[in-house]
Parts: sequence; C-alpha cells; structure tokens
Amino acid sequence: QVQLVESGGGVVQPGKSLRLSCAASGFTFSDYGMHWVRQTPGKGLEWLAVIRNEGRHKYYADSVKGRFTISRDDSHNALFLQMDTLRPEDTAVYFCAKDAGMKGILDYWGQGTLVTVSS
Amino acid sequence: EIVLTQSPATLSLSPGDRATLSCRASQSVSTYLAWFQQRPGQAPRLLIFDASNRAPGIPARFSGSGSGTDFTLTISSLEPEDSAVYFCQQRSNWPPFTFGPGTKVELK
Repeated sequence: QVQLVESGGGVVQPGKSLRLSCAASGFTFSDYGMHWVRQTPGKGLEWLAVIRNEGRHKYYADSVKGRFTISRDDSHNALFLQMDTLRPEDTAVYFCAKDAGMKGILDYWGQGTLVTVSS
Repeated sequence: EIVLTQSPATLSLSPGDRATLSCRASQSVSTYLAWFQQRPGQAPRLLIFDASNRAPGIPARFSGSGSGTDFTLTISSLEPEDSAVYFCQQRSNWPPFTFGPGTKVELK
C-alpha cells in the first residue's frame, strides 16, 4: 500500500533553514508528481509546491517562491522541501502528498511533520 | 487565485442523519473539485475527485455533485467514524491549488 512518511521537522529560529524529507513506498515513485502542503489552525490547508515526475518542472505558491525549493531523488524514492529564510508564519504541520498523475488530484498524504519557527 | 468558501462552518447531527456540505468557488472550476476528510490527528483523506467520483475504497454513503461554482458533498447516513473536518480543493486554475476552510461535522 502507498506510504508517505515525512521527517525533518523541528524548532528553528527565524531566518534559519530546514530541510524536510518524505520517504515514499508502495508505488512507482518516479511515475508521479508530488506536492507539499502545510496546515495551520489559522490559515487551514495551504498548497506550497509541486514537482512533476520528471523533476524538471516545479511550481510554487507565491508565499514561498524564492524561499522554498522542492526536489526529488527517484533513486531513493524521496521528496524534499528545502526551506530557507524561515519566518514565524511558516510554523505549521507540513504534509507531502502524491498526485494521481500531475493533475492536482492529491490521492495519498503522509501524516505530516511539525515545523515551529520561533526564537 | 480561486477562493473556496465552505458552509456551514460546523454541522451537528446524529448517527443515521443525512449531512449536506457546501463548497462555493469564486469563479468557475468546471468539475475540477475534490473533497477530503480529516479526522483529528490524521492526514487528509481523498473522498471525491472531479466533483462526483469516489476515490477507491470510499464508502458509497459519500457522494459529490455540482459544477461551475457550487458543489455539494452528501453523506447519506452518518456513521460515528464520519466525525471529522471536510475540505474542498480546486485544481482548475493553478498554481496555486487552493483549499476551502473546512466544515466540521460533529456527531451528537
């Protein structure tokens, strides 16, 4: 069965960086686009970024464009989110999600990892 | 950016009742709308995609309808495990993909 497991969350100071990982199993990872989505009590679910299965085409939300970078390593079935210049408003639970076929249908989600940006 | 609004914010019903949840888009999304269920402490779970298609393994009591700007998720007969927050999401015009704020379904 499809499994997505996020890791790398924690407490980080404003202005610092953090790299999230998502380990995928149960499907042919290289065939599918992958997303990052975050959730806060105040703003709800916020889509952040998507990477196509070939890895070349990436799209971002304006709120993170230029600060966050999505990438993937198909040889290790892994998805990443490099988060730079973190702000307190980036505090959230971060989910990775599989796309059903680069169509924006997020058919499987991980359990999430909590990122807290605080001094 | 397409904004999704959901109503009501909270729905308090009894097991066996019918639940009707609404999602409205700020502009037409055709039928490119999905519904998710999120139980406390869990990840969102895809219920419906493209307005009316149930995802694999989703019980038949969940159904979706609508097109353009107005959509409905119906739970025909509530079970205790349906207590959750339900979100809609559009994939018509992206980036960004956008989500609604959610409707909380509480069972009495």
